Amino acid sequence: DGGITQSPKYLFRKEGQNVTLSCEQNLNHDAMYWYRQDPGQGLRLIYYSQIVNDFQKGDIAEGYSVSREKKESFPLTVTSAQKNPTAFYLCASSLWGRTGHNEQFFGPGTRLTVL
Amino acid sequence: EDQVTQSPEALRLQEGESSSLNCSYTVSGLRGLFWYRQDPGKGPEFLFTLYSAGEEKEKERLKATLTKKESFLHITAPKPEDSATYLCAVQARLSGSARQLTFGSGTQLTVLP
Repeated sequence: DGGITQSPKYLFRKEGQNVTLSCEQNLNHDAMYWYRQDPGQGLRLIYYSQIVNDFQKGDIAEGYSVSREKKESFPLTVTSAQKNPTAFYLCASSLWGRTGHNEQFFGPGTRLTVL
Repeated sequence: EDQVTQSPEALRLQEGESSSLNCSYTVSGLRGLFWYRQDPGKGPEFLFTLYSAGEEKEKERLKATLTKKESFLHITAPKPEDSATYLCAVQARLSGSARQLTFGSGTQLTVLP
């Protein structure tokens, strides 16, 4: 089955810890994205990557870091510098065509809670 | 700055009671408008893409329409399994490489049996 997987489903972090969220896709999509979702708010873009070894900051990149060493994988690290990391994190992927077919497809999400 | 406003925030319907959800947007040139369905604790599920005013798309009991300022998601004779949060997002036509989506806050739909 083609799709996007995220792990873990639930993650608990202590103050001052860095944690890494995994995202893998086998859709052969060029682009991958990380979003954060808070109650009552729309999804907000953290980072995105068009191609391997390249990524761009989104609207709320402070306190987060990413890497894109393989086309299939786009892990997100939530660092201790992120002041309020408790949220639902969503990974997505899409083609990167100039016309049409830019739909983003989402993984099942990781819920991060700071203890 | 691109903006997306969805209304109402929450909607309760009786099974079979048709209604519409609204998505108003301001964007510097629309590349695409997207509708997603999200169940609690899960990732959004893609429903439709609309590219130009006048375009309509249908899937089962759902029909999405687009004008130059807003999109509607019409739900005909809804069933309890249609209960979910429906998200709208826009993608601006940019000269650069960005393909960023701007999301609304969603409409939480509850269909009562």
